[in-house]
Amino acid sequence: DTGVSQDPRHKITKRGQNVTFRCDPISEHNRLYWYRQTLGQGPEFLTYFQNEAQLEKSRLLSDRFSAERPKGSFSTLEIQRTEQGDSAMYLCASSTQGTTEAFFGQGTRLTVV
Amino acid sequence: GESVGLHLPTLSVQEGDNSIINCAYSNSASDYFIWYKQESGKGPQFIIDIRSNMDKRQGQRVTVLLNKTVKHLSLQIAATQPGDSAVYFCAEENQGGKLIFGQGTELSVKP
Repeated sequence: DTGVSQDPRHKITKRGQNVTFRCDPISEHNRLYWYRQTLGQGPEFLTYFQNEAQLEKSRLLSDRFSAERPKGSFSTLEIQRTEQGDSAMYLCASSTQGTTEAFFGQGTRLTVV
Repeated sequence: GESVGLHLPTLSVQEGDNSIINCAYSNSASDYFIWYKQESGKGPQFIIDIRSNMDKRQGQRVTVLLNKTVKHLSLQIAATQPGDSAVYFCAEENQGGKLIFGQGTELSVKP
């Protein structure tokens, strides 16, 4: 257990539905990252926060995706109008600015049917 | 453009043997590299890292080698154990601490 927790671990949803995932980082970490991982591939960066500020978003993050970190602690990732191509593992990681090691959560596996 | 890739998608070794997993990167300005281990159904787990001002770093049973001339990174695991079976990723750190991962190598340890 790295100390980063994600909820839910698994989510099955019908195409067109909205889903929301939650990430609780290690409490003293001010940086929080979201990644997406498809089968057989390495994780791909989606977005990251430093405290409550969202500092960068990948081109992978379409307008159907939105992420928040309202109080600089936990974060949510919402996908609206899900598509089958959204099926993937969504990983959250946290770190402290100025340090190098990022700790990953166990991920949320999304299946869109 | 930037890319971090791996030479072999799968590697099978006998228990007790040493394992070597390779990685090539294309951005010569890359400064920091990390190896992660990912077991089935789990998130990536940090193994070892290295900065570009070093060419070798050792951990417990693991060694990372960096060859900046040919932009090559390798992970050596000594006395490989069944518990080492997993997918191994190299990653390159970019601005803001975001990571660019390669495709991964699946290591299988035969008893």
